[in-house]
Amino acid sequence: DAGITQSPRHKVTETGTPVTLRCHQTENHRYMYWYRQDPGHGLRLIHYSYGVKDTDKGEVSDGYSVSRSKTEDFLLTLESATSSQTSVYFCAISITGDYGYTFGSGTRLTVV
Amino acid sequence: AQSVTQLDSQVPVFEEAPVELRCNYSSSVSVYLFWYVQYPNQGLQLLLKYLSGSTLVESINGFEAEFNKSQTSFHLRKPSVHISDTAEYFCAVNGGNKLVFGAGTILRVKS
Repeated sequence: DAGITQSPRHKVTETGTPVTLRCHQTENHRYMYWYRQDPGHGLRLIHYSYGVKDTDKGEVSDGYSVSRSKTEDFLLTLESATSSQTSVYFCAISITGDYGYTFGSGTRLTVV
Repeated sequence: AQSVTQLDSQVPVFEEAPVELRCNYSSSVSVYLFWYVQYPNQGLQLLLKYLSGSTLVESINGFEAEFNKSQTSFHLRKPSVHISDTAEYFCAVNGGNKLVFGAGTILRVKS
């Protein structure tokens, strides 16, 4: 996906360990988002950012934290990973927040 | 808060047949509506969007969707599907500087 990259693409981690996922953009978009995708639930918003150091919670924010110290980077941290956090995580960017997103390729996280 | 309901979790259809994927949203002022497509093991791509103007919007690969304010719907249609259209389709609506997504509809095109 042009202008937005997620790392790592795949990760397996143990229950109770902290995990950080990275989203990097080169588009200089103001808004950045973290969603998780689970079968039957579609995409659910975890956290989003509307500027450097400006973040807000989504509908499934428990157990997650985020940071945005630069326009281009938005980090998602699982403070103590649990099996229920096994999912595919997508980052998205947007100019305005209402007019549509560009998505990253996703990170498949497995917590064992 | 905005919400989106995709009425079918899976839609099986034969190649070259027409298809409709249904989407309803909760009513609100200044609604912007989107359809995204996700091919197997890939991220989501914007298929089409309604922001304003004509209520019928089209994509480059033959899909179309019609914004119906009275029925709060934004159904996706294609008159003749191909095997390559097999994917999961997500309807989304704007909700305060973020999008709210439906649960998705898996379109399975059979030969």
